[in-house]
Amino acid sequence: DAGVTQSPTHLIKTRGQHVTLRCSPISGHKSVSWYQQVLGQGPQFIFQYYEKEERGRGNFPDRFSARQFPNYSSELNVNALLLGDSALYLCASSLRQGENYEQYFGPGTRLTVT
Amino acid sequence: EDQVTQSPEALRLQEGESSSLNCSYTVSGLRGLFWYRQDPGKGPEFLFTLYSAGEEKEKERLKATLTKKESFLHITAPKPEDSATYLCAVQAMVYGGSQGNLIFGKGTKLSVKP
Repeated sequence: DAGVTQSPTHLIKTRGQHVTLRCSPISGHKSVSWYQQVLGQGPQFIFQYYEKEERGRGNFPDRFSARQFPNYSSELNVNALLLGDSALYLCASSLRQGENYEQYFGPGTRLTVT
Repeated sequence: EDQVTQSPEALRLQEGESSSLNCSYTVSGLRGLFWYRQDPGKGPEFLFTLYSAGEEKEKERLKATLTKKESFLHITAPKPEDSATYLCAVQAMVYGGSQGNLIFGKGTKLSVKP
């Protein structure tokens, strides 16, 4: 069975540019969450989507936005990139939103901003 | 403020030398505590979920336990392939709406030498 997939795997962008990251959840999973992981730190929560609606937002600026599509895949958009946005961006899917459902992570997208 | 602290930051073991990793947490109400394994440059791999104090779960050489304030990940007779960063995360109760986001610690980097 396919796990969570993310694309692209690596990305290099210049300060001020815009980036779109994509995620496909495990088949049957309806909830998708996005996390940012900088080197040496644990992942930090950015967004959670369930049934195409935003259900949670972490402490990130408005430059970060996301959406979920009818097939439950998701996009994370970041505008006006800063050097500090360089990180591993992780997508996690779970069967439902909230409760004690395990979140399964994808391989991540490594974003480098120069 | 909900918080997760992991110790030690790094741990070096000889093959076969058993040890424990600690995860201390403060959370307004615990829905679940999660352990993940993360290899360099990859997404976290789900290991265990613990829901209530006194609960224990085992998988091969790993055993996770939970008290009201901390969790331990015991590694028995580790092998070099157990080398990885182990992440602990908590999911908090949120009333008046659900949020399934995880709050992670910084992780413990485990190295097992042959």
